[in-house]
Amino acid sequence: QSVLTQPPSASGTPGQRVTISCSGSSSNIGSNTVNWYQQLPGTAPKLLIYSNNQRPSGVPDRFSGSKSGTSASLAISGLQSEDEADYYCAAWDDSLNGQDVFGTGTKVTVL
Amino acid sequence: QVQLVQSGAEVKKPGASVKVSCKASGYTFTGYYMHWVRQAPGQGLEWMGRINPNSGGTNYAQKFQGRVTMTRDTSISTAYMELSRLRSDDTAVYYCARGYSGYENWGQGTLVTVSS
Repeated sequence: QSVLTQPPSASGTPGQRVTISCSGSSSNIGSNTVNWYQQLPGTAPKLLIYSNNQRPSGVPDRFSGSKSGTSASLAISGLQSEDEADYYCAAWDDSLNGQDVFGTGTKVTVL
Repeated sequence: QVQLVQSGAEVKKPGASVKVSCKASGYTFTGYYMHWVRQAPGQGLEWMGRINPNSGGTNYAQKFQGRVTMTRDTSISTAYMELSRLRSDDTAVYYCARGYSGYENWGQGTLVTVSS
């Protein structure tokens, strides 16, 4: 029941740039900031990008985020093998009495 | 450092209730909302709701309204999530998460299995 749509998969070779899209609506991405999470297999998610384009301390600058209108995107430049993971976007949704909503998730494979 | 330590795995029968705890340390417990997020096997993340540990006020996702109750005990810096009338599709890993802009800290997750 995710309201934010992401491509199910993305891939690239080491060193390449990979971009993941996240499509929402006026009640979520259109009016609130977007966060991105990385989830390695069997582990809890990790905050990768907050407030559209801010990196928490310790997150490499290879990861960058952007937002335009009701869509957002995450870019991974200089892809590395350890970037192979699931990635989720998230945003607050002002409808339904307000709730956080996650994207459908994108599996990134390093070829 | 901030730590969120959750209670252990649970196995429940359909129709039962489960209560998961999340003990916080390394920060002022009452200063940040505590959120609960779940992930069914092989599926994505799903926000369930949040509690303001200072006031006890809650916001629940519409999907869980009437079935979920979030509480806290400030004396031991612990948040709780109780889900009632469990169904097989409630089988999932349940996480507590803390953060102001985004969830900076997550618990280790609690696997709840609902099976007859």
